[in-house]
Amino acid sequence: EDKVVQSPLSLVVHEGDTVTLNCSYEVTNFRSLLWYKQEKKAPTFLFMLTSSGIEKKSGRLSSILDKKELSSILNITATQTGDSAIYLCAVLRGTTNFGNEKLTFGTGTRLTIIP
Amino acid sequence: DAGVIQSPRHEVTEMGQEVTLRCKPISGHNSLFWYRQTMMRGLELLIYFNNNVPIDDSGMPEDRFSAKMPNASFSTLKIQPSEPRDSAVYFCASSFGRGTAGELFFGEGSRLTVL
Repeated sequence: EDKVVQSPLSLVVHEGDTVTLNCSYEVTNFRSLLWYKQEKKAPTFLFMLTSSGIEKKSGRLSSILDKKELSSILNITATQTGDSAIYLCAVLRGTTNFGNEKLTFGTGTRLTIIP
Repeated sequence: DAGVIQSPRHEVTEMGQEVTLRCKPISGHNSLFWYRQTMMRGLELLIYFNNNVPIDDSGMPEDRFSAKMPNASFSTLKIQPSEPRDSAVYFCASSFGRGTAGELFFGEGSRLTVL
């Protein structure tokens, strides 16, 4: 069974701090790893990572994949109250045969930024 | 762009009643997904469709759950009879392209409470 484990489960930091969120996985036929941000309602897409060691960056957020360690980290620098959310990691596995893909989500890290 | 539209946003019902959740995907997207989110289990895929055809329904918990996609712009998830353990937020998501390989766009969810 595919597993996606995120840590920590929750994190409370002060505005301006830097945080690192972790995601580890066990899946067969790994294809890519995705990060989503969920505020009050719908998850919204942040990054998709396919290649190991290549950092993806968007403003204060960055993420990198380590296929050898079967893990990924999401960094947020100079945190703001608007970064408060649940951060979800998801792993896509499957072969090139259509219908074989499956996206498995972790339970998320709840991040709270205190002003 | 309207995004993925779900209804109802909130539903409170009594055990044994039928529940129907509705979803309108983003126009032009050809894959549609139903997810269920709970605190304990996170986001779980129930079923996904590609070009209105169910591709993977292995996540549907049991026969009480059924999903249909009669056309490219509408899908329903039905629970009959509902049970208290079905209480969760049900998300519909759509994507462009084949299967789950692409970024998912989520609706705002339908929060179901079964008493």
